Amino acid sequence: EIVLTQSPGTLSLSPGERATLSCRASQSVSSSYLAWYQQKPGQAPRLLIYGASSRATGIPDRFSGSGSGTDFTLTISRLEPEDFAVYYCQQYGSSPFPFGQGTRLEIK
Amino acid sequence: QVQLVESGGGLVKPGGSLRLSCAASGFTFSDYYMSWIRQAPGKGLEWVSYISSSGSTIYYADSVKGRFTISRDNAKNSLYLQMNSLRAEDTAVYYCARAPYSSSWYDCWGQGTLVTVSS
Repeated sequence: EIVLTQSPGTLSLSPGERATLSCRASQSVSSSYLAWYQQKPGQAPRLLIYGASSRATGIPDRFSGSGSGTDFTLTISRLEPEDFAVYYCQQYGSSPFPFGQGTRLEIK
Repeated sequence: QVQLVESGGGLVKPGGSLRLSCAASGFTFSDYYMSWIRQAPGKGLEWVSYISSSGSTIYYADSVKGRFTISRDNAKNSLYLQMNSLRAEDTAVYYCARAPYSSSWYDCWGQGTLVTVSS
C-alpha cells in the first residue's frame, strides 16, 4: 500500500510569492497517476492537477505540477488571495487510493 | 450542470447502521467510476471505497472493509454506501466523487453529508 507524505505541513507566504508543495510516495506511483486538490473551509475539494502535471479544466496557469516516481511537486507561481487553502495529493494508480495528509497554505 | 448530491447522514449510536445516497445529474452516470471519500472534523481526506461503472469491481479501505458496502443503481443515477457496525471514528463528512476512468482522478465532488457516531 502506497503512503503519501506531504511537506511542509503548513506554509506561510504572502500574496505574489511562489509556493512549492511536496508530495512523496513510499513507493513508485505507476504512470504518474497522481492528482492534486485544493480545499477551502466548508467546501468540497476541487481538482487542480491530474497525471502529475496536467491542469484540470478552468485551473489558472499559475498552478503547475511536476514529478514522477516517488517525488511530486505542486507549484503556484504567484499567489493570489484566493489560493490560501489546504492542498492534498492523491495517487490513483492502484487500490487503495490514499491522499496525503495535506499542506495548509496560509497568509503570512 | 454536473451535480452530485449526498444525503442520508445524521446521528447514529455506536454499533448502528446508516445508508448514504448520492444522486447524480447532468452527466451519463453509467459511464463513470465512483467513490466515497470522508473527512473527519478538522482532519484530512480519507479514501473509503470505489465502484466501477458497471459495479463489477469494488475496493474498500482496510478501515471499513467488512462493515461498509458500496453499490450503485445506474437506472436511478444513484450511488450508495451502506454503513454497519458504526464506530466513533467513522464520524466524518462523507463525499461522493466521480472518476472518468478506472484509474483516475476525481473531477467532480458532492458537497458532503455529515455522519456523527455518538451515544
